[in-house]
Amino acid sequence: DGGITQSPKYLFRKEGQNVTLSCEQNLNHDAMYWYRQDPGQGLRLIYYSQIVNDFQKGDIAEGYSVSREKKESFPLTVTSAQKNPTAFYLCASSISISKGGSITEAFFGQGTRLTVV
Amino acid sequence: GENVEQHPSTLSVQEGDSAVIKCTYSDSASNYFPWYKQELGKRPQLIIDIRSNVGEKKDQRIAVTLNKTAKHFSLHITETQPEDSAVYFCAARVQGAQKLVFGQGTRLTINP
Repeated sequence: DGGITQSPKYLFRKEGQNVTLSCEQNLNHDAMYWYRQDPGQGLRLIYYSQIVNDFQKGDIAEGYSVSREKKESFPLTVTSAQKNPTAFYLCASSISISKGGSITEAFFGQGTRLTVV
Repeated sequence: GENVEQHPSTLSVQEGDSAVIKCTYSDSASNYFPWYKQELGKRPQLIIDIRSNVGEKKDQRIAVTLNKTAKHFSLHITETQPEDSAVYFCAARVQGAQKLVFGQGTRLTINP
């Protein structure tokens, strides 16, 4: 295992608190993504970034924020505005379609399980 | 935007039998269709993918078929083994778009 690392593996948050999930990759990938995984709902896209200092909202961005200050890093902040944050969060990276065409395998981290207590 | 529907949500088969998981997509401009396998407690990993200019692709016991006219694609696993037990996700990417849109996942259980 290697390439893309998420930390921590488990995270507990009190209601009303913001928390930040870390995602680091050493694959030299331009594109990075955050997905949320809930039972029976598959992988839903929160945010994605195709290049440093740029990112786009996915399907469920409300209550989340991201930054992309470095190519290797794409941290996700779960804010107090996210009403149901308990979930499994997966970070992924891939070659940008501008460099690799349409065939761009996404490599996933091992995930962070966030629980609100 | 693209929408991907995956069926069934759970599938149980006897060891040695075949398993088929089906996905439909909404955007006819989609041109890349990967399948990911997620074992319990592990990260999703790519197992096979197909481009829109190909109708079928095989890799040992797994195969993927694509019907562009009907906008659906399927994963076929033959001679299933206990290690095939996992959650499988299909996905689609619209041509020119960066993001992958995933289906809801299928929990496959292989019974000995």
